[in-house]
Amino acid sequence: KQEVTQIPAALSVPEGENLVLNCSFTDSAIYNLQWFRQDPGKGLTSLLLIQSSQREQTSGRLNASLDKSSGRSTLYIAASQPGDSATYLCAVGGMNTGFQKLVFGTGTRLLVSP
Amino acid sequence: EAQVTQNPRYLITVTGKKLTVTCSQNMNHEYMSWYRQDPGLGLRQIYYSMNVEVTDKGDVPEGYKVSRKEKRNFPLILESPSPNQTSLYFCASSLSVFGQGYNEQFFGPGTRLTVL
Repeated sequence: KQEVTQIPAALSVPEGENLVLNCSFTDSAIYNLQWFRQDPGKGLTSLLLIQSSQREQTSGRLNASLDKSSGRSTLYIAASQPGDSATYLCAVGGMNTGFQKLVFGTGTRLLVSP
Repeated sequence: EAQVTQNPRYLITVTGKKLTVTCSQNMNHEYMSWYRQDPGLGLRQIYYSMNVEVTDKGDVPEGYKVSRKEKRNFPLILESPSPNQTSLYFCASSLSVFGQGYNEQFFGPGTRLTVL
C-alpha cells in the first residue's frame, strides 16, 4: 500500500530564507508526483507536476525534484515571502494505487514571517 | 476561466437529512473524483469516474453515492448523513485517457460539511 510522508509537519522561517520541503513515498512504481498548495478556506492549487521520467520541474521560485528509486521528492522555495505561507501537500499517482488516484501526504504547514 | 466549482461551499445539516454537493468542471475532462480531508488523515478518495456513466469506489465510499450523467457534472450524495461525515470535501478532475498515464489534476475550492 502506497504511503506518503511529509516532513516536517510545520515550518516557520523568516522572510528571504531558502527552504526545502520533503516528501517520501513507499512504492516507487509511480506515474507522477504533484505538489499542491492549500490556503485556509480555499482549495488545492497545483504547483508542479513531475512525471516519473523526469528528475525535476521548475516554476518561478519553486523547484521540485524527484528521485523515484529512493522514494523521495523535495520542493525547494527560493527567497521565501510571507505570501508563501500555506500548507504544502505532495501527492503521488501510482501504478498500484488505482486509476488516476492520488495518494496524499498530510502536508507541511509553512509560515514565513516578515 | 478553466475551473472546478463546488456548491455549496459551507453546509451545516443534521443527521439523516439527505444532501447533495455539486461539482462541475468546464475543461471537458473525462476523469472526476471526490476526496475528503480530515486532520491527521490527509485526503482520501471517496469515489471516482472515468467517464460518463462510469463510476467506481475509492478508499472510503461508505455512506456516499455519486452519479455521472453528464461529462461536466459529478455530484456527491449523502443519503443519510452522520456526524462522522463531517469533513472538508474536494472535487477534482483531469484530462486522462485510460492506459496513458496520469495527467495533472485540478481541484475545486472545497465544501466544508458539518453534520450535527
